[in-house]
Amino acid sequence: RKEVEQDPGPFNVPEGATVAFNCTYSNSASQSFFWYRQDCRKEPKLLMSVYSSGNEDGRFTAQLNRASQYISLLIRDSKLSDSATYLCVVTTNNAGNMLTFGGGTRLMVKP
Amino acid sequence: GAGVSQSPRYKVAKRGQDVALRCDPISGHVSLFWYQQALGQGPEFLTYFQNEAQLDKSGLPSDRFFAERPEGSVSTLKIQRTQQEDSAVYLCASTGGGYEQYFGPGTRLTVT
Repeated sequence: RKEVEQDPGPFNVPEGATVAFNCTYSNSASQSFFWYRQDCRKEPKLLMSVYSSGNEDGRFTAQLNRASQYISLLIRDSKLSDSATYLCVVTTNNAGNMLTFGGGTRLMVKP
Repeated sequence: GAGVSQSPRYKVAKRGQDVALRCDPISGHVSLFWYQQALGQGPEFLTYFQNEAQLDKSGLPSDRFFAERPEGSVSTLKIQRTQQEDSAVYLCASTGGGYEQYFGPGTRLTVT
């Protein structure tokens, strides 16, 4: 079983839709949580950090449930430019805070 | 300023050949990481340097993989006697102490 699990998708949604991605992690010692975005044939880039209190950045809302070891990302009013793979990421404060990635969820926003 | 750079961007190697992949981290960044990303998968940790010290190499898949960072800046990942299962994108990331890792564009290795 992978340490970070995500539904691989793809999620095909129309412009303007709201879409939610979920992720679960198995290591209860995980300390920090992130969503990264990766465009096709590009490198991953940090989208946002995830906190238990929930955090919002424009159309994006991330939430962490430590008890359930569950992370979510909500995208409202989807844009064509949101099409990408979204990677759920955790760190456990070892190996210099190395990142442990999920397999990614692919999102395709269509006109 | 300049980001993380990697070279070559693409490498085709015949099975059994040795390859060397280079990473130039952001200037001044102390920590450097190598990840391997197979097609359709998320990146997986290979190894970690703090300055010139390789503090963790637990993710290296075999003893054919070797990484170094002799002067605490540029790093090289070497793969000896390449196999088809080594085909992947090799990503380098650096950080200056905060939590965000900045990734280079990767080297896409194809072993034929």
